[in-house]
Amino acid sequence: AQSVTQLDSQVPVFEEAPVELRCNYSSSVSVYLFWYVQYPNQGLQLLLKYLSGSTLVKGINGFEAEFNKSQTSFHLRKPSVHISDTAEYFCAVPGRRALTFGSGTRLQVQP
Amino acid sequence: GAGVSQSPSNKVTEKGKDVELRCDPISGHTALYWYRQRLGQGLEFLIYFQGNSAPDKSGLPSDRFSAERTGESVSTLTIQRTQQEDSAVYLCASSLATSSGGAMDTQYFGPGTRLTVL
Repeated sequence: AQSVTQLDSQVPVFEEAPVELRCNYSSSVSVYLFWYVQYPNQGLQLLLKYLSGSTLVKGINGFEAEFNKSQTSFHLRKPSVHISDTAEYFCAVPGRRALTFGSGTRLQVQP
Repeated sequence: GAGVSQSPSNKVTEKGKDVELRCDPISGHTALYWYRQRLGQGLEFLIYFQGNSAPDKSGLPSDRFSAERTGESVSTLTIQRTQQEDSAVYLCASSLATSSGGAMDTQYFGPGTRLTVL
């Protein structure tokens, strides 16, 4: 079964600084990857997804991720974060029926 | 339009009691998923519905857990004889399930039900 690993449980960063949240996936024939965001006391919301095509995927709120097959990675990036980006971020890969999520990375944006 | 809704938003119960958690998916979404999120952990898949049938119950942690879905709408997750380890946020999601793989479709999540078992 496919799986994803999020290497950082927490990432503190100052406002307007760039950020990268790391995600590595287990190798498989077909790879589809997702990033979801969970704002405090809310459900998960899709940020972006990679199904095929361009390896650089742009999502909502200025986030982007790059699919790197050689490094089996799908890291999430934003060039300049805002306080409002403080949330939990989950990388996910489709299982047979449902999504398999990583353990999450808490992004804490400080003023 | 309306998103996925869940009720109650919070539920506190005593160990040994039964609880029912409700999910109203987005209208027209044929696929419905239940996940569990324990404190500080990722999401754990529980069960998947396609229409009102549940082709995959593999994630249900024990026979105390069951779920049903009426047509292509409301779903109820029931936990019998609750235990303290059942304390978690229970999330429901729905999707159009247009692809054969199902899980590749964008899933829309509800706000969750926070269950606390004392």
